Amino acid sequence: DAGVIQSPRHEVTEMGQEVTLRCKPISGHDYLFWYRQTMMRGLELLIYFNNNVPIDDSGMPEDRFSAKMPNASFSTLKIQPSEPRDSAVYFCASSLGPLGVAGYTFGSGTRLTVV
Amino acid sequence: SQKIEQNSEALNIQEGKTATLTCNYTNYSPAYLQWYRQDPGRGPVFLLLIRENEKEKRKERLKVTFDTTLKQSLFHITASQPADSATYLCALSSGGGADGLTFGKGTHLIIQP
Repeated sequence: DAGVIQSPRHEVTEMGQEVTLRCKPISGHDYLFWYRQTMMRGLELLIYFNNNVPIDDSGMPEDRFSAKMPNASFSTLKIQPSEPRDSAVYFCASSLGPLGVAGYTFGSGTRLTVV
Repeated sequence: SQKIEQNSEALNIQEGKTATLTCNYTNYSPAYLQWYRQDPGRGPVFLLLIRENEKEKRKERLKVTFDTTLKQSLFHITASQPADSATYLCALSSGGGADGLTFGKGTHLIIQP
């Protein structure tokens, strides 16, 4: 397996623009997580899915953020409109089971810069 | 409020020595505690998991302890090498429901040759 695949690796956008981040989890994993990492706040859980169904989105900072998982092999995180404070590295992770007893597998992340 | 604390200052260790990193937590009753390694520009990589009823876990040069009374986990790397230089994150899972992992901010470890 190629691991968790995220795209793009880097995204630079202007304030007010829509940004879409993409993730392909590991085949067979039934949980998918979106995290955001900043120096100040570390890794923060935004939302997670089980079998493509959103379970907990309490970490999503504002209504400008939305996430979907239309099928078991694809998820998106959308920010509309984007703001400079959204600049961060966004990680997608997948696991077998919610507690990740074999650990979470993370993608390489998308570094988002909003100018 | 719930907190996971890791030493925010970089830890400098001489090659060949044992590196010990600390993870303290408050207002958690974790069922599992995990350790991850993160290199610059990469996502965290899973290293070890320890359950609340386990006191110690080993994997090659790595050892993790878990003291639920002290609310602390220690992560040891023996015979450290420059290639072990990275940021190490601890993460807690409360169990019960599916609430995802909560991560500490990590400790940057530097192994000097």
